[in-house]
Amino acid sequence: DTGVSQNPRHKITKRGQNVTFRCDPISEHNRLYWYRQTLGQGPEFLTYFQNEAQLEKSRLLSDRFSAERPKGSFSTLEIQRTEQGDSAMYLCASSRGLAIQETQYFGPGTRLLVL
Amino acid sequence: RKEVEQDPGPFNVPEGATVAFNCTYSNSASQSFFWYRQDCRKEPKLLMSVYSSGNEDGRFTAQLNRASQYISLLIRDSKLSDSATYLCVVNGGGYNKLIFGAGTRLAVHP
Repeated sequence: DTGVSQNPRHKITKRGQNVTFRCDPISEHNRLYWYRQTLGQGPEFLTYFQNEAQLEKSRLLSDRFSAERPKGSFSTLEIQRTEQGDSAMYLCASSRGLAIQETQYFGPGTRLLVL
Repeated sequence: RKEVEQDPGPFNVPEGATVAFNCTYSNSASQSFFWYRQDCRKEPKLLMSVYSSGNEDGRFTAQLNRASQYISLLIRDSKLSDSATYLCVVNGGGYNKLIFGAGTRLAVHP
């Protein structure tokens, strides 16, 4: 399967714990995006990488959130001191990076539940 | 006001029916427009891009009215397999982030 992959698929944690999610984009896709989706809502943009550079961050991305893409391939999203409001589906997407605006392909998501 | 607004539905229709979804967006600088489909507890998948001239893909027709900042999706001859949430999506001018509506849920019954 050459699509976007995400791990883990599900994560249950206690409030106050740190969690880290991983995203592997489609091979040779230069752009990588993180979104968050809560029940009954559409996905909301969190952040975007062009290769290893983080070029945009949403106001939704508080100081407890950090994302990296150290070698321009896979990316990690870490949430520190989790809160119950962080419970959501975290989606990763990638695109080729050849045009200003282009199709994004989504991974299956990581579903986080904070108790 | 949300940047992308959709009727949440649900739309309950019988097989074979024609159903139309509407969407409005607030950022007049938006350059790209899409409809994504999302099945329950799955990731969104691109259904079709929307072009100014309107475009069709089989039973699906998308229309864009830039002056009114309005996007539509028409599904003809609905199938049971069309049951899903349909997300209206715009891409802000110059930015790569996608802005999603909350989605319209469609349920097609026998």
